[in-house]
Amino acid sequence: NAGVTQTPKFQVLKTGQSMTLQCAQDMNHEYMSWYRQDPGMGLRLIHYSVGAGITDQGEVPNGYNVSRSTTEDFPLRLLSAAPSQTSVYFCASSYPGHYGYTFGSGTRLTVV
Amino acid sequence: GQQVMQIPQYQHVQEGEDFTTYCNSSTTLSNIQWYKQRPGGHPVFLIQLVKSGEVKKQKRLTFQFGEAKKNSSLHITATQTTDVGTYFCAGNTGFQKLVFGTGTRLLVSP
Repeated sequence: NAGVTQTPKFQVLKTGQSMTLQCAQDMNHEYMSWYRQDPGMGLRLIHYSVGAGITDQGEVPNGYNVSRSTTEDFPLRLLSAAPSQTSVYFCASSYPGHYGYTFGSGTRLTVV
Repeated sequence: GQQVMQIPQYQHVQEGEDFTTYCNSSTTLSNIQWYKQRPGGHPVFLIQLVKSGEVKKQKRLTFQFGEAKKNSSLHITATQTTDVGTYFCAGNTGFQKLVFGTGTRLLVSP
C-alpha cells in the first residue's frame, strides 16, 4: 500500500516549457486535490476532483490543467511554465465525507 | 472567496511551555481539519471537527471548534521538541474543497 505517490520529486523547467506532474493513489479514494505551497502563504488549492471524470477549479487554477480519467490518477499539467510557478506541489486524496486528506511527498518545481 | 486566517504566524517556546494557534474563517464551515507539517515534509492529518462547539483531545493536543463553526483552536500542553513543525487548519465548506490557513510555525527549544 503505497498511499499517494508523486513524481518527479524535483524538476527544473525553463520558462515556456510544459510538463505534467504525476499523482497516483492506491487507496481507492474518490477525492483528489492539487495544492501549491509557497513560503508564508500556506497551501493553496489549484484544482480538485470528487471522482473520475469530474474536476473543478480551486483558488489558483490559472496556468494549470487537470484531468481525472481513472480513480487512481490525477495528473497536473503546466501549460507554459512561468517563474511564478516555482513552488512545492502537493497532491492529496481522501474518501468522501468527514475524512482527512492523505498527502504525497511533494514535487519541488523550479522555473528559470 | 473563502479565506482562512491563522495566528500567530510563528511562535518560539521553551520545552514544557504551552502553545495555542487560532484559526478564523470568513465563512461558515461544514468541518475543520488540522494538519502538522514537519520541516521538509508533507502535511499529515491530525483531526477533524464537525459539530458546533466540539472539543477533541489527542494526548497533549486539544482541538476546539467554535459555536458558529467559523473558528477553531489547537492547544498543546507542555510542548516537547517533537512538536516542532507548522500547524495548519483547513476549512471545508463541502466536497473536501479544503482551504488552508497560512499556518503557525512552532519552534521548541530544549
